[in-house]
Amino acid sequence: DAGITQSPRHKVTETGTPVTLRCHQTENHRYMYWYRQDPGHGLRLIHYSYGVKDTDKGEVSDGYSVSRSKTEDFLLTLESATSSQTSVYFCAISGTVVYGYTFGSGTRLTVV
Amino acid sequence: DQQVKQNSPSLSVQEGRISILNCDYTNSMFDYFLWYKKYPAEGPTFLISISSIKDKNEDGRFTVFLNKSAKHLSLHIVPSQPGDSAVYFCAASAQGAQKLVFGQGTRLTINP
Repeated sequence: DAGITQSPRHKVTETGTPVTLRCHQTENHRYMYWYRQDPGHGLRLIHYSYGVKDTDKGEVSDGYSVSRSKTEDFLLTLESATSSQTSVYFCAISGTVVYGYTFGSGTRLTVV
Repeated sequence: DQQVKQNSPSLSVQEGRISILNCDYTNSMFDYFLWYKKYPAEGPTFLISISSIKDKNEDGRFTVFLNKSAKHLSLHIVPSQPGDSAVYFCAASAQGAQKLVFGQGTRLTINP
């Protein structure tokens, strides 16, 4: 039981199309996060959630939106995908940050 | 504005020797620091952490050192093993903030 799953694992989409990535947890953790990983930049925070319907922006939020209607699900939407959003996206969950995050396995998104 | 910096993109170490990975930060509000390890096609996994009230924390072969005056931390792995080959991310959290800021990562290669 992974505790956190991301779907899809891989996706190729065309420029201008909307894309939604899903993160699902079974740990009942309060905090959920979306990061993107890019060479030379490490992991950068896109958006995070501190409860149902409570979300906030991270450092690279432009072009992305999120929703959390249930504790277990955190959705990341690229409203109109661009080539600069080609990346590996990681979801993470946390009960409290002092115990660290648990990350999902990632979604590799390619925008062509 | 990169608040957490890992200035070495890569490091190569011989098996059995010590690996030292470095991390610098600029935000004096950071009070909790973590190291994550990442294998290809997997999400990062928590390795070790340290609070700003300490200057050292050990867990088996892994030791993290914190120098607050220099705003510098390091991860020591001894002895290094082939399974330690991975990308290592340094991360930091500010007091009261339930989110982590990550460095760019250092790719560690352990040579037999």
